[in-house]
Amino acid sequence: ELKVEQNPLFLSMQEGKNYTIYCNYSTTSDRLYWYRQDPGKSLESLFVLLSNGAVKQEGRLMASLDTKARLSTLHITAAVHDLSATYFCAVDNDMRFGAGTRLTVKP
Amino acid sequence: SQTIHQWPATLVQPVGSPLSLECTVEGTSNPNLYWYRQAAGRGLQLLFYSVGIGQISSEVPQNLSASRPQDRQFILSSKKLLLSDSGFYLCAWSWANYEQYFGPGTRLTVT
Repeated sequence: ELKVEQNPLFLSMQEGKNYTIYCNYSTTSDRLYWYRQDPGKSLESLFVLLSNGAVKQEGRLMASLDTKARLSTLHITAAVHDLSATYFCAVDNDMRFGAGTRLTVKP
Repeated sequence: SQTIHQWPATLVQPVGSPLSLECTVEGTSNPNLYWYRQAAGRGLQLLFYSVGIGQISSEVPQNLSASRPQDRQFILSSKKLLLSDSGFYLCAWSWANYEQYFGPGTRLTVT
């Protein structure tokens, strides 16, 4: 059974700092997705990573995929308060979601 | 452009009552459709997915059922709700197995 593990599950960081969220998965997959969820809201698609070595960037967020290591990272650069949300990764196989990383950015 | 609708937005139902949540997609044909449940502060649990009319796959045994009577309509039902059915229900669509687009969700409280 496919397992998708995110860490950390909770992340509190200061504005202006950098940090990385990790997403590990247990079986072979060539596609991985990152989503954002604001409190009480639905999920919004952030990145679609379709191949080994794929890197996507949008603003202060950058996502990458290493299919050989079965690992994706979501890197946050110079965090701002607006990035506070829960971030989920999801793996192509049956769209399994990680448990989510709840990010809080403090001034 | 494609849009996805869910209703109702919120629902409070007593234990043992029936449930019907509806999801419709506009602007696309033959989408894959999904129902997820999210318990408070938790991740997403895939409940059902459908690749076509009348084709439903269930991920977990439960007292819920799903139906797809039309190409762009997906319905989640229960004959008798349990307390454990409370949560945030999200419908999503995708083309094949590409990224999913989520509806606004239904917040269900079973009392």
